[in-house]
Amino acid sequence: NAGVTQTPKFQVLKTGQSMTLQCAQDMNHNSMYWYRQDPGMGLRLIYYSASEGTTDKGEVPNGYNVSRLNKREFSLRLESAAPSQTSVYFCASSENWGAGGPYNSPLHFGNGTRLTVT
Amino acid sequence: GNSVTQMEGPVTLSEEAFLTINCTYTATGYPSLFWYVQYPGEGLQLLLKATKADDKGSNKGFEATYRKETTSFHLEKGSVQVSDSAVYFCALHDGGATNKLIFGTGTLLAVQP
Repeated sequence: NAGVTQTPKFQVLKTGQSMTLQCAQDMNHNSMYWYRQDPGMGLRLIYYSASEGTTDKGEVPNGYNVSRLNKREFSLRLESAAPSQTSVYFCASSENWGAGGPYNSPLHFGNGTRLTVT
Repeated sequence: GNSVTQMEGPVTLSEEAFLTINCTYTATGYPSLFWYVQYPGEGLQLLLKATKADDKGSNKGFEATYRKETTSFHLEKGSVQVSDSAVYFCALHDGGATNKLIFGTGTLLAVQP
C-alpha cells in the first residue's frame, strides 16, 4: 500500500521558472492538502481540497495554484518561482470522518518534495 | 485566529530519560488536538490525539492529556529511546468542514545512547 506519493523528491529551479508538484493517494480519501515546511515556521497550509471538484485557499496561497484532477490526484503549480518559495512541500490526504466524530481522521503525509529556487 | 505554541528545541536527552514537550493552544471552543512525529527524511505521521477536554491520547509509550483549564496538550514519555529521535509537532483542528490542521513550529528531539 503506497499511501501518499509525491514527485519529484528534489527540484532546483531558477527564479521565474515554473513547475508542477504531483501528489497521488491510493486510500480513497476525500480530502487532500498541500503544506509547506520552513525552519522555525512549522507547517503552513497552502491549499486544500475537501472533495473532488473543490479547492480552497489556506494560510499562504500566494504564488501557487492547484488542481484536483480526480479523487486520487492533487497537484500544486508554481507559475513563476521565487526564492521565497524555497521550502519542503508536503501533500497529505484524509477521510472526512474518523473515530470521535467528523473531521477527526488523521492526515496521511507523503515524504515531501525539497524545492530550491535560486 | 487559532494557533499552537510549542517549546523550541532541540531537546537533547540520554536514553531512558523522561521527556516532556510543552504545547499550548489558542482556539475558539474545544478543537481536537494532535501530536505528529516526523522521522528523518519522511513525512509526518500521527502519534496520538485527543478529541475532547480531559481526554488522554497515548501511543508507543507517549501520552498527552487535553487540559482546557490551561489550554495545554503536553507530550510525555517515561523512558525515551534512541529510536524516538525525531521532530514532534503539536497541532489542532482548525474547524469547519474539513480536517485542516494548524501546526506548531516543531520540536527536535535528539536521544543519545
